[in-house]
Amino acid sequence: QSALTQPASVSGSPGQSITFSCTGANSDVGHYNLVSWYQQHPGRAPKLIISDVTKRPSGVSNRFSGSKSGNTASLTISGLQAEDEADYYCCSYAIGGTWLFGGGTKLTVL
Amino acid sequence: QVQLQESGPGLVEPSQTLSLTCTVSGGNIIYGGYYWSWLRQHPGKGLEWIGYIFHTGNVYYNPSLKNLVTISVDTSENQFSLNLISLTAADTAVYYCARVSGNAFDLWGPGTVVTVSS
Repeated sequence: QSALTQPASVSGSPGQSITFSCTGANSDVGHYNLVSWYQQHPGRAPKLIISDVTKRPSGVSNRFSGSKSGNTASLTISGLQAEDEADYYCCSYAIGGTWLFGGGTKLTVL
Repeated sequence: QVQLQESGPGLVEPSQTLSLTCTVSGGNIIYGGYYWSWLRQHPGKGLEWIGYIFHTGNVYYNPSLKNLVTISVDTSENQFSLNLISLTAADTAVYYCARVSGNAFDLWGPGTVVTVSS
């Protein structure tokens, strides 16, 4: 299976809302509601911010939200803050019993 | 709280075998119904799932790595391990261990850098 497709970079100003896309296929994103999102700051391990498309783990800001339509999942950050500057990765379970990740999107807060 | 910590060699020669261990502290590996996973991140690239194991020994591998990887668990030591054979430069990466809760990787170790070079 191929990795999920994410834009390489996005940017936004403080206070703005920004949406990341994650495009898969009928065999992964489109087949299961098992999409998760991870935030990774430089030199740090990834941190889970969204599971099962829309669920936010305890302790994660409600400024983060997830959704899905067809083969594309999305992560939205509202009220952008400087600390949100990081890499964001999507992940989906896929037919055949494997987990696929996207290549990641680098968020720059202007 | 539960923490994970990877350990193992930082430098391995090509064609050799990589052995990494993940030690789980602050909680028992047999409780909670969790799977325990290995993932890696090539330099400047995205993440790749390698496989995961249940405390009973039930194990699942990424089909693309299945012939090269073995994941095992030692419940007496509260650890699980990764063996990756026939290393090449393409295996140079940061290797992470992580806990699987439900359908996501909810807790990660800090990662360990592995370089394959002679």
